[in-house]
Amino acid sequence: GNSVTQMEGPVTLSEEAFLTINCTYTATGYPSLFWYVQYPGEGLQLLLKATKADDKGSNKGFEATYRKETTSFHLEKGSVQVSDSAVYFCAPPNAGGTSYGKLTFGQGTILTVHP
Amino acid sequence: EAQVTQNPRYLITVTGKKLTVTCSQNMNHEYMSWYRQDPGLGLRQIYYSMNVEVTDKGDVPEGYKVSRKEKRNFPLILESPSPNQTSLYFCASSHGDFVGYTFGSGTRLTVV
Repeated sequence: GNSVTQMEGPVTLSEEAFLTINCTYTATGYPSLFWYVQYPGEGLQLLLKATKADDKGSNKGFEATYRKETTSFHLEKGSVQVSDSAVYFCAPPNAGGTSYGKLTFGQGTILTVHP
Repeated sequence: EAQVTQNPRYLITVTGKKLTVTCSQNMNHEYMSWYRQDPGLGLRQIYYSMNVEVTDKGDVPEGYKVSRKEKRNFPLILESPSPNQTSLYFCASSHGDFVGYTFGSGTRLTVV
């Protein structure tokens, strides 16, 4: 079935450092890919998405490129801020077929940014 | 404002006392889903629904029930709660797997 392997955390960075959180996926067909973010005390929010190969999703300074050749969707940000401290989830590709709606997330990657 | 509303936000209950956590969305979404989040175990899907009267089990359905009688509502029912159901619960909705999900703010349940 469709799944993701996400870099384990926690990740601790200083403000203005470069961030990469790795995510690789296995999937059949041509899934859409998503990153979600969960700020302390809140529910998950859709951060960005890409719907086809070579698409780059971007939002709030974060970017991720849908790389079909390496089956990757790594999350990057050039200069993190303290306010980016959160848990980041790479969502498994939509299962599709008879499994529409079945979607389980992993543990996510905890990011802490220090001033 | 487009949103998923869960109630209550916090609940402390005793073992065996039936409870319902409500979830409502105002976006006319077809898909709805319930998750529980536990430290070290991540976010796990309990049940999901693709439309009215269409529901299916996720990865951890034991001890839970759901119903989808109206498109906007997807309540989570614990018929006989036990302490191992103490967790943070999230409801989510979407037009489909290709467009991403909107999550509620969560319900923190403690069963003593």
